[in-house]
Amino acid sequence: DGGITQSPKYLFRKEGQNVTLSCEQNLNHDAMYWYRQDPGQGLRLIYYSQIVNDFQKGDIAEGYSVSREKKESFPLTVTSAQKNPTAFYLCASSIGSGNTDTQYFGPGTRLTVL
Amino acid sequence: AQKITQTQPGMFVQEKEAVTLDCTYDTSDQSYGLFWYKQPSSGEMIFLIYQGSYDEQNATEGRYSLNFQKARKSANLVISASQLGDSAMYFCAINTGGFKTIFGAGTRLFVKA
Repeated sequence: DGGITQSPKYLFRKEGQNVTLSCEQNLNHDAMYWYRQDPGQGLRLIYYSQIVNDFQKGDIAEGYSVSREKKESFPLTVTSAQKNPTAFYLCASSIGSGNTDTQYFGPGTRLTVL
Repeated sequence: AQKITQTQPGMFVQEKEAVTLDCTYDTSDQSYGLFWYKQPSSGEMIFLIYQGSYDEQNATEGRYSLNFQKARKSANLVISASQLGDSAMYFCAINTGGFKTIFGAGTRLFVKA
């Protein structure tokens, strides 16, 4: 079955640590995205990527970094520079970037800073 | 800039009844796509339905339909014959092209047995 996988489901981080969230898709989609969701709120875009080796900052990129070395993979690193990283992180992909292109989401990773 | 407004933080509906979740949007673009997603307590965002700005017919997908009123800039989601499994957060979103999809704050739906 085609879909998007994210791991781990739950992640705990100590202050000052970098952590990497995994996102893999087998939908053959060109575009991939990372969103952050805080309790009771909608989604905010962190980074997006249209093709391999290319990515762009979204609205809240500070304290985050990404890479896109393979079409299928778009890992997100939450660095120690992110002051309030506790949140729910969702990865998504779409065929392209047109306004008719539906984004499909993974199951999410819940990150907690101890 | 694009904006999505969902004015109902929470809604209750009796099982087997229909419910309408409100969504209004703001954009100066003529071409755009409107999306509805369901987020159950597990957290995954599930795509429900899509409506293009040039589509003359309201979109339908099974028990979901989108009441699209372009002049009013509204895109309300109608769920017919509610089921207990419909209890979830529902998000309306707009994409005017490019990578930026704007999501609303969501409406939490409670289905009562």
